[in-house]
Amino acid sequence: AQSVTQPDIHITVSEGASLELRCNYSYGATPYLFWYVQSPGQGLQLLLKYFSGDTLVQGIKGFEAEFKRSQSSFNLRKPSVHWSDAAEYFCAVASNQGGKLIFGQGTELSVKP
Amino acid sequence: NAGVTQTPKFRVLKTGQSMTLLCAQDMNHEYMYWYRQDPGMGLRLIHYSVGEGTTAKGEVPDGYNVSRLKKQNFLLGLESAAPSQTSVYFCASSTGITVAKNIQYFGAGTRLSVL
Repeated sequence: AQSVTQPDIHITVSEGASLELRCNYSYGATPYLFWYVQSPGQGLQLLLKYFSGDTLVQGIKGFEAEFKRSQSSFNLRKPSVHWSDAAEYFCAVASNQGGKLIFGQGTELSVKP
Repeated sequence: NAGVTQTPKFRVLKTGQSMTLLCAQDMNHEYMYWYRQDPGMGLRLIHYSVGEGTTAKGEVPDGYNVSRLKKQNFLLGLESAAPSQTSVYFCASSTGITVAKNIQYFGAGTRLSVL
């Protein structure tokens, strides 16, 4: 069965420090992968996506993610975190049934001054 | 740009009451979705629709019904609310059939408490 795992429920980083959020997926074929961000009280906003091609994808707000097939991972990174990045982050894989998304449990990011 | 609009934003129900959540999108999207978000469980798909007049069950459909009478609207109904349905509900829409077109756009959510 298709699934997405985000091992870290909560991460705290200092402002200006680098960030890496982990995502592992289980999917038989070539996956279509997404990262969404949810700011407090808001809906989800797409950060970036991977469909094919270059395994390092760039997104909005200075985020990037790297697809590693050998590790079944799609980790999200940012070189320097800003206080406004505090939010919950969701990794998702597109199902082969009607394009539905399967979400991970989410990782809550806190940013220390 | 309105995008995806959900109403109401907040609601408190008593056990057994009914209500309807409304989702409206102005992007002419074919696909629409209803999710629920619970702590530690991410988003789980309740029902979805691939076009006007069609609906299908998602991962957690029990206790909910949906209707898509107009392309721009997707209604989620709770006929007899239960405390287990306390959650944040999100609606989303996307353009089309292929995965490459299935970038989903989300509403701001409806926070529902069932007492």
